[in-house]
Amino acid sequence: SQKIEQNSEALNIQEGKTATLTCNYTNYSPAYLQWYRQDPGRGPVFLLLIRENEKEKRKERLKVTFDTTLKQSLFHITASQPADSATYLCALDGDSSASKIIFGSGTRLSIRP
Amino acid sequence: DVKVTQSSRYLVKRTGEKVFLECVQDMDHENMFWYRQDPGLGLRLIYFSYDVKMKEKGDIPEGYSVSREKKERFSLILESASTNQTSMYLCASIQSGELFFGEGSRLTVL
Repeated sequence: SQKIEQNSEALNIQEGKTATLTCNYTNYSPAYLQWYRQDPGRGPVFLLLIRENEKEKRKERLKVTFDTTLKQSLFHITASQPADSATYLCALDGDSSASKIIFGSGTRLSIRP
Repeated sequence: DVKVTQSSRYLVKRTGEKVFLECVQDMDHENMFWYRQDPGLGLRLIYFSYDVKMKEKGDIPEGYSVSREKKERFSLILESASTNQTSMYLCASIQSGELFFGEGSRLTVL
């Protein structure tokens, strides 16, 4: 079955450094991959979508890469700030239906001043 | 801005009660979803709907049912709540691959 793996351990980064989060998937070839941010007690908020034919996508301080050979996406936050502290979720379109989105368990990121 | 509204942020129910979680979206989206989120397990898809009166099972539909009588409203029903259904429930709609989530409903079953 499809599986999405994100580093379950929290990531602690010094302010100003680049944070890099990893998303690996198996048993599937998604048409696109997404990243969401979730703050405690709130619903996830969409950040970026990258399609299978795109290698890299940027939005302000965010950069996402998508390697369909390695079955991996990397999510980078450059010049990180304490306000970037949150849980980041990776998501893929589902196998049987493009409308079925499945999620990884998320990685908690903490940026210390 | 797209708005997805879940009717209750916090609910406390007793084992065996019937529970309704309501979700309304205001952007005329075709597809809507119900997820539950538990620590260490991430978001797991319960059901989704791609049109009025149409539904499809997600990964964990057991113990749940759904209703989509109007395009803007997607309801999750727990016919007989159990303690293992204590969780955060998240509703979402989708457009161009982007999911728009509500704020979540935290359900506690005693």
